[in-house]
Amino acid sequence: EAGVVQSPRYKIIEKKQPVAFWCNPISGHNTLYWYRQNLGQGPELLIRYENEEAVDDSQLPKDRFSAERLKGVDSTLKIQPAELGDSAVYLCASSGASGSLTQYFGPGTRLTVL
Amino acid sequence: GENVEQHPSTLSVQEGDSAVIKCTYSDSASNYFPWYKQELGKRPQLIIDIRSNVGEKKDQRIAVTLNKTAKHFSLHITETQPEDSAVYFCAATFSSGSARQLTFGSGTQLTVLP
Repeated sequence: EAGVVQSPRYKIIEKKQPVAFWCNPISGHNTLYWYRQNLGQGPELLIRYENEEAVDDSQLPKDRFSAERLKGVDSTLKIQPAELGDSAVYLCASSGASGSLTQYFGPGTRLTVL
Repeated sequence: GENVEQHPSTLSVQEGDSAVIKCTYSDSASNYFPWYKQELGKRPQLIIDIRSNVGEKKDQRIAVTLNKTAKHFSLHITETQPEDSAVYFCAATFSSGSARQLTFGSGTQLTVLP
C-alpha cells in the first residue's frame, strides 16, 4: 500500500508570505498528525486529528497556523504570515484504527523562510 | 506533560561493534515506547517498539529494553553495519482511548565506521 504522501517536498518563501502543506494519509487511517521538526531535534506535535475532528491542537500557534481535515482524509496545514523562525521540516503522520499506536510518517515538507 | 531525554547525542562505533542509545521519560503513566530511524532527508521510520507490559523485545540485530521503575528504555544494535548510520529517535506516550501524543527525544546521530 502507498505510504503517507506529502507535498510539496520543498518550499522557499519570503517572510510574511502564506504557505500551505498537504498530506494524504495511509488509506483507512483515521488519525492524522502534523509535526514540526527543527534541525537537529525530534518532531514536535502541532495538531492531531481523529477523523475530521482536531482533538489535540494545544501546541499549534493559532495566531498564524491553521489546519483542516474536512472529509476526514486529506489534510492541509497553513501558515499565514510566515516568519523566519518557521523554517523547519513539517511532517505528517497517520495511524490506523482506534487503539493502534504505530505512527507512519510522510517524507515531510522542508520550509525555508527568507 | 511528558519529557523525554536521550543520550548520547552522537555515537560513533566500528562496524561489527554494538551500539546502545538510552532514553529516560518523566511520566510514569507512559506505556508505549517506539524507536524511529531517520536517514538524512528522509522520513522517520519505526524500527521497533515496546509496551510497558514487556521488559525486552528483539528483532534480529535490534533490541529494546524497558525499566519502568527507573523510567528508562534503551535501544541496542548488535553487529552494526554502515547502513545503520542514521539519526535514531526514541519516543514515549501514554495511550488511553484517544490520548496518543508521542513525545520524542532529541535524537542520536549514529555513525558506523567501516
